[in-house]
Amino acid sequence: GDSVTQMEGPVTLSEEAFLTINCTYTATGYPSLFWYVQYPGEGLQLLLKATKADDKGSNKGFEATYRKETTSFHLEKGSVQVSDSAVYFCALPRHGNNRLAFGKGNQVVVIP
Amino acid sequence: DAGVTQSPTHLIKTRGQQVTLRCSPISGHKSVSWYQQVLGQGPQFIFQYYEKEERGRGNFPDRFSARQFPNYSSELNVNALLLGDSALYLCASSLATGTLSDEQFFGPGTRLTVL
Repeated sequence: GDSVTQMEGPVTLSEEAFLTINCTYTATGYPSLFWYVQYPGEGLQLLLKATKADDKGSNKGFEATYRKETTSFHLEKGSVQVSDSAVYFCALPRHGNNRLAFGKGNQVVVIP
Repeated sequence: DAGVTQSPTHLIKTRGQQVTLRCSPISGHKSVSWYQQVLGQGPQFIFQYYEKEERGRGNFPDRFSARQFPNYSSELNVNALLLGDSALYLCASSLATGTLSDEQFFGPGTRLTVL
C-alpha cells in the first residue's frame, strides 16, 4: 500500500544551521503529502502540506516541495532555532485524509 | 476554542485488563480517527468514525473496538491488554470524511502503560 519512508536517526544541529529531513513516498497516483510536528508532551500539529506535484508547502520558515520525479517531499529550514526541537513526521493519506500513513519520524535537537 | 481533548492523560494497566480511552473532538467536527504511536515509531491508524459509523479500520486485532456518540465524542476500548499495547493513543478530529482540504487536528494523546 501507499507509504512514506523517512531517513533514519535523530538529527542534532546548532542554532541557525540548515535543516534537511528526507522523505520519500511510494504511491499509486499522486496523493497529498504532509509534514507533521510533535513538540514534547503534545499531540501532532500539521506543519505544511502539498496537494499536487510541484507544489511547495511552507510554514514557519519550513518548506517542502512535492517532487514526483524523485518521489520525494524533503523538509528544509534555512536557519533553525532551539524552539524547532521536536519530532517531525512525513505522512500521506490512504482512502482519504482521515487515514494517514506516517513515517517513523525524526527527532530534531537544536543546540544553542 | 477548545482543541481535541483526550482523557485520561496517563494510564497504567496490567496484562489481561481492559481499558477505555475517551476523546472529545473540536466543536463542529463529525469525524474522529484513532492512532496508536509506539515509542520511537510513527502513529498507526486504528479506526475512523463518522456520524457514529465506522468508516475505516487499520490492521489491528479484534481486541480493539471503538464507538462514536451522538455528540461526536468517541471511545476506544482495548480488551485483554498485552505488553505490546503500551503506546501513546492519539485521537484526531476533522470536519468531514476526508477531502483534500480536510485537515485532521490531533489531541495530546493518552499514554497507556501495560505492566
